[in-house]
Amino acid sequence: AQSVTQLDSQVPVFEEAPVELRCNYSSSVSVYLFWYVQYPNQGLQLLLKYLSGSTLVKGINGFEAEFNKSQTSFHLRKPSVHISDTAEYFCAVSESYNTDKLIFGTGTRLQVFP
Amino acid sequence: DAGITQSPRYKITETGRQVTLMCHQTWSHSYMFWYRQDLGHGLRLIYYSAAADITDKGEVPDGYVVSRSKTENFPLTLESATRSQTSVYFCASKGVDSNQPQHFGDGTRLSIL
Repeated sequence: AQSVTQLDSQVPVFEEAPVELRCNYSSSVSVYLFWYVQYPNQGLQLLLKYLSGSTLVKGINGFEAEFNKSQTSFHLRKPSVHISDTAEYFCAVSESYNTDKLIFGTGTRLQVFP
Repeated sequence: DAGITQSPRYKITETGRQVTLMCHQTWSHSYMFWYRQDLGHGLRLIYYSAAADITDKGEVPDGYVVSRSKTENFPLTLESATRSQTSVYFCASKGVDSNQPQHFGDGTRLSIL
């Protein structure tokens, strides 16, 4: 079975500063990895996904994530955040070729201050 | 517009009552899912469906019932609501290809008094 750990429940950061949101997973099989963003009173939107190939994945809104198999991590990064990036971010994992079951982390609240 | 819609967006009811949350998608996706979102737990899968008339339990199915008579609809019913079922409920759908992500509705905030 898979599990996901998001190490930080909240990350405060000033506008234009870089940010990293951490995600670690555990699985005995190969996985697909996802980052979703949730704005207030909205559903989850896909930011980016890792299926295979290049370990550096670029997503929407300037976000990117790097898959590190040896460290079982999939940290999300952005070099310069904006006020509008304030949201809840969820990391999720599924078995490769079996994305009908997504396991979510508990989320990280990114708060961007002016 | 194509997409996935949930109704109602907000619902208040009393313990012991039956309540049904609706989910409708226009993509003709095979898979549909129901999650609940609670502080400290992230999203947890309640039930999912791989196609019409095929449903399966997720991580937290107790107290919930689902049906899928049509591909586009996946209602979730709480037959006798309890306070512990106060939560935000999200519906999602995806296509059959394994590399397709799940797409989420905007959620239903359910309060049980």
